[in-house]
Amino acid sequence: GENVEQHPSTLSVQEGDSAVIKCTYSDSASNYFPWYKQELGKRPQLIIDIRSNVGEKKDQRIAVTLNKTAKHFSLHITETQPEDSAVYFCAASKAGANSKLTFGKGITLSVRP
Amino acid sequence: DAGVTQSPTHLIKTRGQQVTLRCSPISGHKSVSWYQQVLGQGPQFIFQYYEKEERGRGNFPDRFSARQFPNYSSELNVNALLLGDSALYLCASRLTASRGYTFGSGTRLTVV
Repeated sequence: GENVEQHPSTLSVQEGDSAVIKCTYSDSASNYFPWYKQELGKRPQLIIDIRSNVGEKKDQRIAVTLNKTAKHFSLHITETQPEDSAVYFCAASKAGANSKLTFGKGITLSVRP
Repeated sequence: DAGVTQSPTHLIKTRGQQVTLRCSPISGHKSVSWYQQVLGQGPQFIFQYYEKEERGRGNFPDRFSARQFPNYSSELNVNALLLGDSALYLCASRLTASRGYTFGSGTRLTVV
């Protein structure tokens, strides 16, 4: 089955700096890659996603890049703010109505004021 | 529009007991999935239902079962609870296969 790995496990950046979180996946048939943000005690929230027919997607300060050949994708957050502090999960799934999300273990991002 | 709603929010059960968790998807969403999130880990897939039929099952024992009702709400049942079943149980729904999943706030289950 699919295996998704995230690295690093923790990341600390200064407010205003950029943060990059990387994920790798194992199943070349996966073609949908969402990123979820989970604040302490709250539900995971979808912040951005990308499908395998595009290499990059941006939404304001957030962008995701996908390298299908290397089977990895990355989340880029620019101009980080303290409210970006949370656990970020990447996931992968295949197309279709029967798809399931396989999540990584999560990365704790801390933005220092 | 209401999001995905789950009940109860918190639950404490004793080993060996049974529990039923409930989920109401976003209106119009026909696909519902259940995930288990152990502290410090990513969510792990348990079940997926679409149009009241089971479409996928994760690597969980037969003590775990679920169903989806005609109004697309869903229940997750866990029998013979073990201490290791203590976790946050998340329900997620989506409109179509091309859209992302929206998660509910979860049910925090503690088994003592």
